[in-house]
Amino acid sequence: NAGVTQTPKFQVLKTGQSMTLQCAQDMNHEYMSWYRQDPGMGLRLIHYSVGAGITDQGEVPNGYNVSRSTTEDFPLRLLSAAPSQTSVYFCASSYSPPGQFSNQPQHFGDGTRLSIL
Amino acid sequence: SQQGEEDPQALSIQEGENATMNCSYKTSINNLQWYRQNSGRGLVHLILIRSNEREKHSGRLRVTLDTSKKSSSLLITASRAADTASYFCTETSGSRLTFGEGTQLTVNP
Repeated sequence: NAGVTQTPKFQVLKTGQSMTLQCAQDMNHEYMSWYRQDPGMGLRLIHYSVGAGITDQGEVPNGYNVSRSTTEDFPLRLLSAAPSQTSVYFCASSYSPPGQFSNQPQHFGDGTRLSIL
Repeated sequence: SQQGEEDPQALSIQEGENATMNCSYKTSINNLQWYRQNSGRGLVHLILIRSNEREKHSGRLRVTLDTSKKSSSLLITASRAADTASYFCTETSGSRLTFGEGTQLTVNP
């Protein structure tokens, strides 16, 4: 049981380059989300999806795109990398979205450490 | 902001001692969860407490919730070196989770 798999684990980009961070889960979870973690800032929500074909913006969506064509995959695209996007990115999933009637824990991947020069 | 805030930011104790971390939040919540993050790894869910619960136990973990003070505490009893990690509270309001900055716990052998 792989859980949530993120690739790559590390990446160095130059300013202006684009790339896609991959996230896949094998638990048939409907809800998936992307966070970035910066020192002293906690985790901030970038984008999330409540099911295939449905995505929405989180707290810090600028500079990032997402799509959800399958239940299993939720890639995060950096359109034109900027040094401010240097961070550790985490993907998480759960059976149902967080909310009043949901007690589902979030399952996290181990992160992608991204440096932009 | 609905972001939870953990206190203290860092805590260093000896193995066998108890560790208490606190979390405050600003708005009404549906439930509150605690997560652990080991260095270089993703977050792992520890425990969830609903807004209508006041205390919950799971093994060596005890979580309390005071909705009148908008605060929660996580107690780890008989700590072990393996408990060294960052601990985060996260509040659920609507369909989003918001995380605090975490408490870095160091348990010295």
